[in-house]
Amino acid sequence: DAKTTQPPSMDCAEGRAANLPCNHSTISGNEYVYWYRQIHSQGPQYIIHGLKNNETNEMASLIITEDRKSSTLILPHATLRDTAVYYCIVRGNTGGFKTIFGAGTRLFVKA
Amino acid sequence: NAGVTQTPKFQVLKTGQSMTLQCAQDMNHEYMSWYRQDPGMGLRLIHYSVGAGITDQGEVPNGYNVSRSTTEDFPLRLLSAAPSQTSVYFCASSDLSSGELFFGEGSRLTVL
Repeated sequence: DAKTTQPPSMDCAEGRAANLPCNHSTISGNEYVYWYRQIHSQGPQYIIHGLKNNETNEMASLIITEDRKSSTLILPHATLRDTAVYYCIVRGNTGGFKTIFGAGTRLFVKA
Repeated sequence: NAGVTQTPKFQVLKTGQSMTLQCAQDMNHEYMSWYRQDPGMGLRLIHYSVGAGITDQGEVPNGYNVSRSTTEDFPLRLLSAAPSQTSVYFCASSDLSSGELFFGEGSRLTVL
């Protein structure tokens, strides 16, 4: 299973874009990048995932570099409610399905 | 749909006692898994299953047993509870094609 590396914490001003980086230099060709977030002590919530193309949904955008060794989750207009721990995960969708979480990035959105 | 339902939400055990944390999902998901989360830490995978009758170990399986007799249920058993197993336990499920995990609300376990 590929491992991911994320900064332990980041700050962002309310209303600004939050850009959360993730390194996954050992990712395999069939492995997807997933992002989840955990607000306070709730169960993690799925945000977005992608293989090699950039993806966008109502919550966020995911930018994956061409060599797939890193990615960035973008929250376009961060609000105070986006304060959470964000987890970047690499997981295959064939064969090995187990999902390993790292320590994540604690994002603080400040007014 | 109820999604992923965990019971109980809170439990206090004495060292050496056994108990089962229940997890049920009504989304017909093939994949189910159990995580534990200690204070201030990330989630660690205990056991997982890709279908009825199939289970496998995660990162921290010692002290825990699982079984998967139906698609819907994935109970986690603590055979002899230890204080080191004090944690919040999360159950999650997904279908194998999308990989999007749905989590339960968590079960907070304290072992005295």
